[in-house]
Amino acid sequence: KNEVEQSPQNLTAQEGEFITINCSYSVGISALHWLQQHPGGGIVSLFMLSSGKKKHGRLIATINIQEKHSSLHITASHPRDSAVYICAVNYGGGSQGNLIFGKGTKLSVKP
Amino acid sequence: EAGVTQSPTHLIKTRGQQATLRCSPISGHTSVYWYQQALGLGLQFLLWYDEGEERNRGNFPPRFSGRQFPNYSSELNVNALELEDSALYLCASSLWAANQPQHFGDGTRLSIL
Repeated sequence: KNEVEQSPQNLTAQEGEFITINCSYSVGISALHWLQQHPGGGIVSLFMLSSGKKKHGRLIATINIQEKHSSLHITASHPRDSAVYICAVNYGGGSQGNLIFGKGTKLSVKP
Repeated sequence: EAGVTQSPTHLIKTRGQQATLRCSPISGHTSVYWYQQALGLGLQFLLWYDEGEERNRGNFPPRFSGRQFPNYSSELNVNALELEDSALYLCASSLWAANQPQHFGDGTRLSIL
């Protein structure tokens, strides 16, 4: 069964804290995505990666293919980072295009 | 560049009716994906279209169907609506190639009374 597991489910942080959200998956993938969903429902793609590490501003995403694990880090967190962060994967074969999602991590950053 | 657009924003139906949701992808994108996000549940894959063909289908009953038009826009049709079909339906588009980022629309919120 193809599963994507995220932790923690909920996370509350103080402004300025370093945040880590974890994602693990059960079988080999062709790519992993980190998405951000704000309360209105709109989803923004933050990163797509198949190896190594990517950085965009205060956000860093890493992936370890051997361990089937990825992390999303937020440095110097800010209240505007409050959102649901979702890990999603592309599995190979005929289902290569569509995404399979984790249940999301709800992040709340307090001022 | 216009993003992925979905219509309508909200749709209210009653049990047994049929609903049609529409999606226009980003210009140049040939792949369109439909996802369902029911309250309290995560995002689930519904359908994937590329170049007018259905490429993959999620674990949903046949009353969920769709199509992709020659201009790459897409429709999602849901027949014989049930209460549990109430959800946010998101459309995404991408270039057709392995492992492309997907760009999401703002969704259609379907409410079944």
